Amino acid sequence: DAKTTQPNSMESNEEEPVHLPCNHSTISGTDYIHWYRQLPSQGPEYVIHGLTSNVNNRMASLAIAEDRKSSTLILHRATLRDAAVYYCILKGGSNYKLTFGKGTLLTVNP
Amino acid sequence: NAGVMQNPRHLVRRRGQEARLRCSPMKGHSHVYWYRQLPEEGLKFMVYLQKENIIDESGMPKERFSAEFPKEGPSILRIQQVVRGDSAAYFCASSPSDSNYGYTFGSGTRLTVV
Repeated sequence: DAKTTQPNSMESNEEEPVHLPCNHSTISGTDYIHWYRQLPSQGPEYVIHGLTSNVNNRMASLAIAEDRKSSTLILHRATLRDAAVYYCILKGGSNYKLTFGKGTLLTVNP
Repeated sequence: NAGVMQNPRHLVRRRGQEARLRCSPMKGHSHVYWYRQLPEEGLKFMVYLQKENIIDESGMPKERFSAEFPKEGPSILRIQQVVRGDSAAYFCASSPSDSNYGYTFGSGTRLTVV
């Protein structure tokens, strides 16, 4: 499986935007970029995914670099409920497995 | 539309007992995946099932662990003769047939072996 690299931790203030980076220099042409998050004592929660174009949904935006070697998850206005571990995962079109790394622990300060 | 339901939320078993973890996928989802999260470790894939079929059990320990997803009823992850090292959070996820969509996870079962 292609690997992703994320910072171990990031900090943000409430109501401010948060940009969570992910490097995936060995991404293949058929790999989708998926983001999940895991709140304390909860199961992972799907956030967003994309292939080449930037994507928006009600939770977040995903900005994908033109060469696809990196991406950024954008939370437009962080809330305390966004404090979680965020995972960036590459998933090939026919591959059903999610390979979770250590992710980024996001702390949101009030 | 209820999400993925897992029960029990917490399960305590003595060494040597059996643990049965249940997972009811979202309505309309026919694909079920089990993941395990050991303390201070990441989530690891265990098994992928469709109704009445095990598609991939490459992440399951070879002994004591089994999984099923019968035609009727929830998916079951069964751990026989539990040991302390089985203590972990076990998560179930489900998806519709198209795996390019995101998976929906349950809240997990936290197994403690004493």
